[in-house]
Amino acid sequence: GAGVSQSPRYKVAKRGQDVALRCDPISGHVSLFWYQQALGQGPEFLTYFQNEAQLDKSGLPSDRFFAERPEGSVSTLKIQRTQQEDSAVYLCASSLVAGDPMNTEAFFGQGTRLTVV
Amino acid sequence: LAKTTQPISMDSYEGQEVNITCSHNNIATNDYITWYQQFPSQGPRFIIQGYKTKVTNEVASLFIPADRKSSTLSLPRVSLSDTAVYYCLVGDISGANNLFFGTGTRLTVIP
Repeated sequence: GAGVSQSPRYKVAKRGQDVALRCDPISGHVSLFWYQQALGQGPEFLTYFQNEAQLDKSGLPSDRFFAERPEGSVSTLKIQRTQQEDSAVYLCASSLVAGDPMNTEAFFGQGTRLTVV
Repeated sequence: LAKTTQPISMDSYEGQEVNITCSHNNIATNDYITWYQQFPSQGPRFIIQGYKTKVTNEVASLFIPADRKSSTLSLPRVSLSDTAVYYCLVGDISGANNLFFGTGTRLTVIP
């Protein structure tokens, strides 16, 4: 597809379950971002990749959160032992290159809404 | 990271021009200013980006004074479909730094 694709769109998990959220960025995009958005709040930065390298993971709230992008394209955000406070929309974004003012527009997916019960 | 301050909400009638101002007093030399729009149940969408003076595209204009401590997003002749949350972001575009969101401005366009 032409845009950023995230799956699943909705996920309900029982507290303590592990979940994996997938992001397919736009083909050829170097940069990839993950965000967490609680209801009524702005997106909160989680982590950032340039190709397969995870350059910034300062926003990951705990060691239960793990992200990877092994081949520099598809990325997975994994949350272990989910808790109720993990309930949020998880957004993925990609951009063509970093550092080029003509190409830093980030394209966002529709997000995955995670509900932990 | 430069902290941004924007109004929490604004109302406007259809057909009016809307100006949303963002304050970023500690903006750094390498920082760009970027605005995103977000509709309910969708990811944010890029609107416009600038470094100084004025930038215009088919959707909006961005005014940045010489000291760059604030910026104003201008939406001409808004319609009901412009009802959304608008985020002002400030950061260095060389990495993740330019994509830190605040709480945004919720714009409601009234018929």
